[in-house]
Amino acid sequence: DVKVTQSSRYLVKRTGEKVFLECVQDMDHENMFWYRQDPGLGLRLIYFSYDVKMKEKGDIPEGYSVSREKKERFSLILESASTNQTSMYLCASSFSRGIYQPQHFGDGTRLSIL
Amino acid sequence: ILNVEQSPQSLHVQEGDSTNFTCSFPSSNFYALHWYRWETAKSPEALFVMTLNGDEKKKGRISATLNTKEGYSYLYIKGSQPEDSATYLCACNSGGSNYKLTFGKGTLLTVNP
Repeated sequence: DVKVTQSSRYLVKRTGEKVFLECVQDMDHENMFWYRQDPGLGLRLIYFSYDVKMKEKGDIPEGYSVSREKKERFSLILESASTNQTSMYLCASSFSRGIYQPQHFGDGTRLSIL
Repeated sequence: ILNVEQSPQSLHVQEGDSTNFTCSFPSSNFYALHWYRWETAKSPEALFVMTLNGDEKKKGRISATLNTKEGYSYLYIKGSQPEDSATYLCACNSGGSNYKLTFGKGTLLTVNP
């Protein structure tokens, strides 16, 4: 079974802090994604990566950056955390070989910015 | 941004009832439609990936159909059980990308025992 592991289930940080959310997958997937989930808004794509050191902006990249130094790890960085970044963050991964592969998700990190 | 809509937003049914809900998407430039189940405190789980008009897929008591000409997919659950309670998400591949998805807001299903 594919395993996507997010480093924390719950995280509390202060406004202005630099925050790192880590995600690791163990299935040699090329593609990795970061989403946030907010009530009434659905899953929204922040950034994704289709290869090591490659990244593309999703629909809501403002205030975030990402890092993919190794194939199995994809980090989401909140450069200067703000209260409007309080949310549930989900990491996902998928194969790029073959067509229209499903995404496999981690359990999520519920982040609170105080 | 692709517009993927799901209805209803939430649904309460009794154990044993059959139910269905809808995902609507633009019929032009369609590539693939994904269904996921997201139970509370767990990770979203892929149910189906559908690409062809008229596709029907089945997994136990859950099945899905796809109409790409009119831009909708139905998810059916036969004989709902409390363990079916979850948010059901649909998503479409965006802009021809075979890996980037745009999600609907989901349908929250509650099955009462």
